[in-house]
Amino acid sequence: DAGVIQSPRHEVTEMGQEVTLRCKPISGHNSLFWYRQTMMRGLELLIYFNNNVPIDDSGMPEDRFSAKMPNASFSTLKIQPSEPRDSAVYFCASSLRGTGGNQPQHFGDGTRLSIL
Amino acid sequence: ILNVEQSPQSLHVQEGDSTNFTCSFPSSNFYALHWYRWETAKSPEALFVMTLNGDEKKKGRISATLNTKEGYSYLYIKGSQPEDSATYLCAFIFGNEKLTFGTGTRLTIIP
Repeated sequence: DAGVIQSPRHEVTEMGQEVTLRCKPISGHNSLFWYRQTMMRGLELLIYFNNNVPIDDSGMPEDRFSAKMPNASFSTLKIQPSEPRDSAVYFCASSLRGTGGNQPQHFGDGTRLSIL
Repeated sequence: ILNVEQSPQSLHVQEGDSTNFTCSFPSSNFYALHWYRWETAKSPEALFVMTLNGDEKKKGRISATLNTKEGYSYLYIKGSQPEDSATYLCAFIFGNEKLTFGTGTRLTIIP
């Protein structure tokens, strides 16, 4: 079975450029999560969706970050304009929607983003 | 701010030995506790989801227990093997589906 698919795997771009990260969740999963991993803060939740609707975006760092989920099989995380401090590994995860978080999350391989 | 604390931060264990480590979390408003295994250069992989006080889960040589009243969970590995080397993350859910992750225990098995 295909797992969570993220693209690109690596992205190197210059400060000020727009960056778009993509995620395809596991078919049938109706919750999708975007995480950022840094040395300083570990793995932190940026935003999550249930049935394509954003539920909690309190982890999104600032207005430069935006996320969309136009349908059940695709989501994007966009940074515009990008800054060097956005350099991190960004993970997408999906799960079946459970009661009280009783469903495991399945992670993609991540996108390693470097902003020069 | 709800904190999830894991100890120790890192651990070196001889192959064949058994080991365990701890995850501490706020005992109020408990919904669920997740354990994930994260190998270097890979993505986190779910091990267990635990929801009830007293829960015990097992997967091969790895098992976990949960005490929601005092706010801790233990992960045990019996007869450690080199392939067990990874970072083990616990994550706490205090509402809906938001996971708050600990910083992990980095386990290295010495052949």
